[in-house]
Amino acid sequence: DVKVTQSSRYLVKRTGEKVFLECVQDMDHENMFWYRQDPGLGLRLIYFSYDVKMKEKGDIPEGYSVSREKKERFSLILESASTNQTSMYLCASSSLTGRGYTFGSGTRLTVV
Amino acid sequence: GQNIDQPTEMTATEGAIVQINCTYQTSGFNGLFWYQQHAGEAPTFLSYNVLDGLEEKGRFSSFLSRSKGYSYLLLKELQMKDSASYLCAVMSNFGNEKLTFGTGTRLTIIP
Repeated sequence: DVKVTQSSRYLVKRTGEKVFLECVQDMDHENMFWYRQDPGLGLRLIYFSYDVKMKEKGDIPEGYSVSREKKERFSLILESASTNQTSMYLCASSSLTGRGYTFGSGTRLTVV
Repeated sequence: GQNIDQPTEMTATEGAIVQINCTYQTSGFNGLFWYQQHAGEAPTFLSYNVLDGLEEKGRFSSFLSRSKGYSYLLLKELQMKDSASYLCAVMSNFGNEKLTFGTGTRLTIIP
């Protein structure tokens, strides 16, 4: 069964901490994405990557960075966590077939 | 810019039929997706339309009109487990497969 795995289901971090969210896929997909999901706002794209070491800003990249050193792994980094980054974070991957995403189970991050 | 609209909430009765509409205005179009998301879970793929017309898959069907910027998801023989949010998403550029999502429609099924 193909999978996108996010390392943590729930996280609680303090304001100012550096936070790493990890995502691994086993489908050999080229594209990987990080979204955040907030009530009333839907899914908003933070960053995406279409190849190893390549990254593109999404719609709301401020306060975030990403790393893709290997094809299967795409990490989201909160350089200095703030309370407005409390959210559900969803990782997804896709191949170049136009068939959409496979999502990870999500990480609910709370910044206190 | 990208704009995708769908109703925020809908209620329907078990065994009935419900239609969830989605309208979009995007710069470029390479397909429209519908996802189902149960509370606290990740979205799961339901359907994909790139050409005009109706795609049927069991109890679920999805329709697309590119000239009108309009799609709907039709759910038949509703079951309690269909209570979920339904997300409409548009792919504007095939090259990177980036999807823009609507805010989702929360569907509640009542007995």
